[in-house]
Order: sequence, then structure tokens, then C-alpha cells
Amino acid sequence: GDSVTQMEGPVTLSEEAFLTINCTYTATGYPSLFWYVQYPGEGLQLLLKATKADDKGSNKGFEATYRKETTSFHLEKGSVQVSDSAVYFCALGLSSGSARQLTFGSGTQLTVLP
Amino acid sequence: SAVISQKPSRDICQRGTSLTIQCQVDSQVTMMFWYRQQPGQSLTLIATANQGSEATYESGFVIDKFPISRPNLTFSTLTVSNMSPEDSSIYLCSVNRGQNSYEQYFGPGTRLTVT
Repeated sequence: GDSVTQMEGPVTLSEEAFLTINCTYTATGYPSLFWYVQYPGEGLQLLLKATKADDKGSNKGFEATYRKETTSFHLEKGSVQVSDSAVYFCALGLSSGSARQLTFGSGTQLTVLP
Repeated sequence: SAVISQKPSRDICQRGTSLTIQCQVDSQVTMMFWYRQQPGQSLTLIATANQGSEATYESGFVIDKFPISRPNLTFSTLTVSNMSPEDSSIYLCSVNRGQNSYEQYFGPGTRLTVT
């Protein structure tokens, strides 16, 4: 079935370090792909998205490119800040009957140290 | 964007009791989703609630344990019945951004602890 495999955490970086969180997917058809972020004590927020191959989503300095050939959607940021400390979820959008559902990866806890 | 509120934000409940969680959206939506997030885990979809019809439950979740109501296009409730400590989780509701969108907006969640 459709699934998302996400890089195991936790990840600890120093401020201004480069971040990569790997995400690969298995899907029939052409899914939409998302990164959500969950800050401590809060609900999920959409960080960025891509709806077709070669699309690049970007927001708040984060980027991810939809790579159909490698079925990947890796999250990157060139210089992380302490305020980026959160849990990051990769997600795949697919149809189930009439509903448009999301399937989430396991989540990656990021801690950025000053 | 949709604004979603949930009540209660957190609760501590006794084993064997039930808790009803409310989800209110500031606009009319067709589908509402209920998720469970166990401690340190990812989100697992419990069910999809479509106004005017029975909720559709995912594998491993049953209506007797997690009855859902969807009385109108802006509101839904999820009840966690006959609770045990294994039900301690964050419960989140969400809605699609648009009828043809996979993008979802999430409520802030209800943090449930069962003792």
C-alpha cells in the first residue's frame, strides 16, 4: 500500500548548521507531498507542499523537491535556528473513496542548540 | 485558511470512563478527520466524518470504542469510550483546505491522560 518512510530521529544540530531530513514514499499514481511541523505543545502546521514531479516547495527557508525518479521529498534548510526546534512530519496525500486523506511518516524530532 | 478549535484542550480521566472531544470549524466543510497521536509517535487516522452519513473507520478502530457524530458542516465530536491507559494520546481533528485538496488544517489537539 501507500506509505511514507522518514529519517529516524532525533536530530541535534548547532545553530546555523545545514539540515536534511530524508523522506521517501511508496504510492500508486501521483500523490501530493507535504511537510508538516509540530512545535512543542501545538498542533500541526503545514510547512510546504508539492503537487507534481519536479515541483519545489519552500517556506521559512525550508525547501523540498518532489523527485519522482527517486520517490523522495527530502527537507532541507541551509542555516537552522533555535526556533526551528520541532517535530517534522512528511506526508503523502491520496484518495480513499471520496475522501482525500494524508498518510504520515513517523516524524523526526529536531533540536537546534545555540 | 480554516480556523479549528477543540475542546477540551486537555483532560485527565479515570479508567473505564468516556470523554467526548469537540471540534469546531469556522467554515463549512464536507470532510472532517480524526487522528490519534500516541506519545512520541506519528499521527494515525481514526476515521473520516462526512456530514449526513456514518463515519468511515480505519483498520484497528471501531465505532463502539470511538463513536463520532457529525451533526452539521462545522462541527464534530469524537468520544473515547471505556478508556484505558493505552488511550492516553493527543487527539486531533482536521479538515481539507478545499474539496479537491489533500492539504489539511489541524486543530490544536486534545491531550488525554487516562489513569
